[in-house]
Amino acid sequence: DAGVIQSPRHEVTEMGQEVTLRCKPISGHDYLFWYRQTMMRGLELLIYFNNNVPIDDSGMPEDRFSAKMPNASFSTLKIQPSEPRDSAVYFCASSLSGIGLIYEQYFGPGTRLTVT
Amino acid sequence: AQRVTQPEKLLSVFKGAPVELKCNYSYSGSPELFWYVQYSRQRLQLLLRHISRESIKGFTADLNKGETSFHLKKPFAQEEDSAMYYCALSGSAGGTSYGKLTFGQGTILTVHP
Repeated sequence: DAGVIQSPRHEVTEMGQEVTLRCKPISGHDYLFWYRQTMMRGLELLIYFNNNVPIDDSGMPEDRFSAKMPNASFSTLKIQPSEPRDSAVYFCASSLSGIGLIYEQYFGPGTRLTVT
Repeated sequence: AQRVTQPEKLLSVFKGAPVELKCNYSYSGSPELFWYVQYSRQRLQLLLRHISRESIKGFTADLNKGETSFHLKKPFAQEEDSAMYYCALSGSAGGTSYGKLTFGQGTILTVHP
């Protein structure tokens, strides 16, 4: 397995533009997480899904951010309109749940977003 | 609510010196604690978890419920240990993990030759 795949790896866009980040989790994993990493705030959980259903989106900064998981092998994080303060590295991670066991989260390489 | 605190954003040591990265948590239930590491230009990866009580790359971490701490330790630091380290907490009940991880702010460890 290639692990968690994210695209694009780098994105530079102008303020006001729409940005879509993509993630393919590890096959068979039933949890998918979106994180944002900045120097000031560290690693923040934005939203996570279980079996394609959003479970907790309390970390989504505002209505400009939205995430979908149309099927078990694909998720998107969209920012519309983008702002310079959205500049960060966005990570996707997936994991497998199990009663009585705790499985680790596997992270993708991240998407470095720069909004000018 | 669950919270993880890593009081040091930066930590510098010399090669061969002991190193301790601090992590404190707050959680009312039964926590599961993890340490993740991110080497330069690599993805975040699991270093160790308290439930396994294992030693990875010479690192160990003991969960102290009285002090609500999960400090990461290594007796002799190596240059290749230089990385960003994140402490993370997952809530659980009845042996089932909630799945969600709460991360600390991270500590950048630099090991000088």
